[in-house]
Amino acid sequence: GENVEQHPSTLSVQEGDSAVIKCTYSDSASNYFPWYKQELGKRPQLIIDIRSNVGEKKDQRIAVTLNKTAKHFSLHITETQPEDSAVYFCAASRGGSYIPTFGRGTSLIVHP
Amino acid sequence: DGGITQSPKYLFRKEGQNVTLSCEQNLNHDAMYWYRQDPGQGLRLIYYSQIVNDFQKGDIAEGYSVSREKKESFPLTVTSAQKNPTAFYLCASSMPGGAKETQYFGPGTRLLVL
Repeated sequence: GENVEQHPSTLSVQEGDSAVIKCTYSDSASNYFPWYKQELGKRPQLIIDIRSNVGEKKDQRIAVTLNKTAKHFSLHITETQPEDSAVYFCAASRGGSYIPTFGRGTSLIVHP
Repeated sequence: DGGITQSPKYLFRKEGQNVTLSCEQNLNHDAMYWYRQDPGQGLRLIYYSQIVNDFQKGDIAEGYSVSREKKESFPLTVTSAQKNPTAFYLCASSMPGGAKETQYFGPGTRLLVL
């Protein structure tokens, strides 16, 4: 089955800095890679996703890059703000009836 | 934040007691999932259901049971066989094979043992 490794487990940055979270996956057939943000005590919510036919996707201050050959994808947050503080989860899925596999999460702390 | 709801928000379980967590969705999604979240362990899959009247065990199904009698509802029972039930439980739904295969999560139920 699929295995998703996520690093780092904790990331501490100063407000205005950039933050990068990396995930690697094992199943070369995986083709859908979402990222979820979970604020303390709340539900995870999708913030951005990418499919395997695309190398990069941006949405304002966040971007995701995918390297299919190396089987890794990354979340990039620029100009971080205190409200970006949360746990971020990556996931990988083959799509269809396959169940997504989640990474263990990264706790991002943005210091004012 | 509508679409998928969970109740109650907090639940207390006594020793030897079975408790049931509710999950309802009005998104017309075929698939529903239950995850357990413990600090530092991410999201671990308990059970999932792709269609009504069918469900499959996830990675940590022991001590849990589910039913899927209606498309909208996927309740989770934490049985007395689950020896360490204290955790945050998240229900999710999705439309597999669709243009958007995102998982939509409920607000969660925090289960505590008395």
